[in-house]
Amino acid sequence: GAGVSQSPRYKVAKRGQDVALRCDPISGHVSLFWYQQALGQGPEFLTYFQNEAQLDKSGLPSDRFFAERPEGSVSTLKIQRTQQEDSAVYLCASSLSSGRVYEQYFGPGTRLTVT
Amino acid sequence: AQKITQTQPGMFVQEKEAVTLDCTYDTSDQSYGLFWYKQPSSGEMIFLIYQGSYDEQNATEGRYSLNFQKARKSANLVISASQLGDSAMYFCAMREGQRETSGSRLTFGEGTQLTVNP
Repeated sequence: GAGVSQSPRYKVAKRGQDVALRCDPISGHVSLFWYQQALGQGPEFLTYFQNEAQLDKSGLPSDRFFAERPEGSVSTLKIQRTQQEDSAVYLCASSLSSGRVYEQYFGPGTRLTVT
Repeated sequence: AQKITQTQPGMFVQEKEAVTLDCTYDTSDQSYGLFWYKQPSSGEMIFLIYQGSYDEQNATEGRYSLNFQKARKSANLVISASQLGDSAMYFCAMREGQRETSGSRLTFGEGTQLTVNP
């Protein structure tokens, strides 16, 4: 079946531009997560949705970062006025909300480069 | 606060041999879950294996097994019969809670780059 998809796969933005990154989770997955992965490091949590509700946004690094999931399916991570330190791979993951093992299924990521 | 430590930035193994990737964790929670993910150069994180803190037996999935030592707070990944396709970055991760709640974030280590030599 279809996995988690993300678009675009690569994005180059000039400093100060706004960007929007899209995530299509696995159909039926209630939980959706965004992570930021800097070069050579492990992913770091940004935010979490259960259906359309954003239950945890404590990992968002600044108020320039905004995420939404209005219909409980597709999610968009928006970064306003991008800075060079925003350059990273942004990973989206989804998981079921029931069952004993709740592994998170990751998408291929969006590599953002801010010049 | 949770913390995951992977002390091996890089590991090398000969094809068909076994290799152990180290992971130690720190948490004050009694209930937690431990995961290993593989990240090839393509970038996608691939789930390998899961161990719950209350699971009495070590988890196994095919050639992957998790050597869980709760008292030492370690959760090492053992890959048996290494294959060339196993060359990738491997991440250990932890999540608070292991049962009904699925919403908890994963905390990842820094990763270990595994290279399998022919």
